[in-house]
Amino acid sequence: EPEVTQTPSHQVTQMGQEVILRCVPISNHLYFYWYRQILGQKVEFLVSFYNNEISEKSEIFDDQFSVERPDGSNFTLKIRSTKLEDSAMYFCATNFLGWNEQYFGPGTRLTVT
Amino acid sequence: ELKVEQNPLFLSMQEGKNYTIYCNYSTTSDRLYWYRQDPGKSLESLFVLLSNGAVKQEGRLMASLDTKARLSTLHITAAVHDLSATYFCAVDRETSGSRLTFGEGTQLTVNP
Repeated sequence: EPEVTQTPSHQVTQMGQEVILRCVPISNHLYFYWYRQILGQKVEFLVSFYNNEISEKSEIFDDQFSVERPDGSNFTLKIRSTKLEDSAMYFCATNFLGWNEQYFGPGTRLTVT
Repeated sequence: ELKVEQNPLFLSMQEGKNYTIYCNYSTTSDRLYWYRQDPGKSLESLFVLLSNGAVKQEGRLMASLDTKARLSTLHITAAVHDLSATYFCAVDRETSGSRLTFGEGTQLTVNP
């Protein structure tokens, strides 16, 4: 069964450093999303992406964040200058039509020290 | 702003018992999703409810949707230990590519 994959599974970085989180969506899916989950809290939407541009972003997704699909397969989330409060699990999700269920990847645990 | 509220947030129950988790939301969406999350793991899709009155069942779990009341329920029948997990409901806004707004989650522990 096709699945969403994410790399790395765990990333430790120092405050102020840049990180790039990678996602490989299910191959025929057209809509891509990033969510984050701070430990013990609910899942929060960051950004959605369709047709090579951002469709929607939340108030969390400020100028420190960016997304792109550089090679037609990977979908990346970049955090330019990480802060302690960016420590969380980051999930990529995808769906085909944009209105049906979203399929979540296994997540990347980001730890900022 | 769309709000999604679940209750209870914590539920400890004995094996063999029945219980219901409630999910209230503030928009007129007809689409509601239930996900399961095991500790340290990703979100597994359980149910997709796409219309008023929708009812879906899988094993010991049954989900329903009442769009007029803006309420969904997840009913657990004869709980077993393997059902221990956190359960999230989520709602979107019925437009293509719209975000999911999640509830706070219900942490379920089923004790032998």
